Amino acid sequence: AQSVTQPDIHITVSEGASLELRCNYSYGATPYLFWYVQSPGQGLQLLLKYFSGDTLVQGIKGFEAEFKRSQSSFNLRKPSVHWSDAAEYFCAVGARNRDDKIIFGKGTRLHILP
Amino acid sequence: DAGVTQSPTHLIKTRGQHVTLRCSPISGHKSVSWYQQVLGQGPQFIFQYYEKEERGRGNFPDRFSARQFPNYSSELNVNALLLGDSALYLCASSPEADTQYFGPGTRLTVL
Repeated sequence: AQSVTQPDIHITVSEGASLELRCNYSYGATPYLFWYVQSPGQGLQLLLKYFSGDTLVQGIKGFEAEFKRSQSSFNLRKPSVHWSDAAEYFCAVGARNRDDKIIFGKGTRLHILP
Repeated sequence: DAGVTQSPTHLIKTRGQHVTLRCSPISGHKSVSWYQQVLGQGPQFIFQYYEKEERGRGNFPDRFSARQFPNYSSELNVNALLLGDSALYLCASSPEADTQYFGPGTRLTVL
């Protein structure tokens, strides 16, 4: 069965510092992988996705993520965070079978120090 | 282009009542999925519909039902509401069953 683990519930970084949010997944084959961001009381916005090909994917707002099959990981990174990046970040895994659902992690709340 | 729209934005119901939530997908998208997000948790999958057929169902009781109309809009129905049904209900659409684009959600409060 698919599963997603985001080991960090909260992360605090200073504005301008680099960021890495961790995500580990469990899936029997090569999955679809996603990162979404959610501001308080809002829906989810897609930051980036991995389907195949280059394992380093670029997303919106300066975010990138790297798919590492050997570690079953898909960590999100940003070289320099901005105060507006404070939000909840969700990693998700989807199957290549169109009948399967997308499974979300429990999220990581990002706090930015001025 | 218009994104996924959901109505209503907020809803307050009492235990035992019935609720209907509505979703209009992005134009051209044939797949609609519903998720429940309880405060402090990630979204949990409820249903997926593709071309008006149910393609997937999550681990939710039969009190939850959904349907998709010929114009690909969708309704989520919940009967006999419980306090634990209080959550943000998210609708997502996709052109096929891969990348999902989410609406702003309907905040349901059950008293």
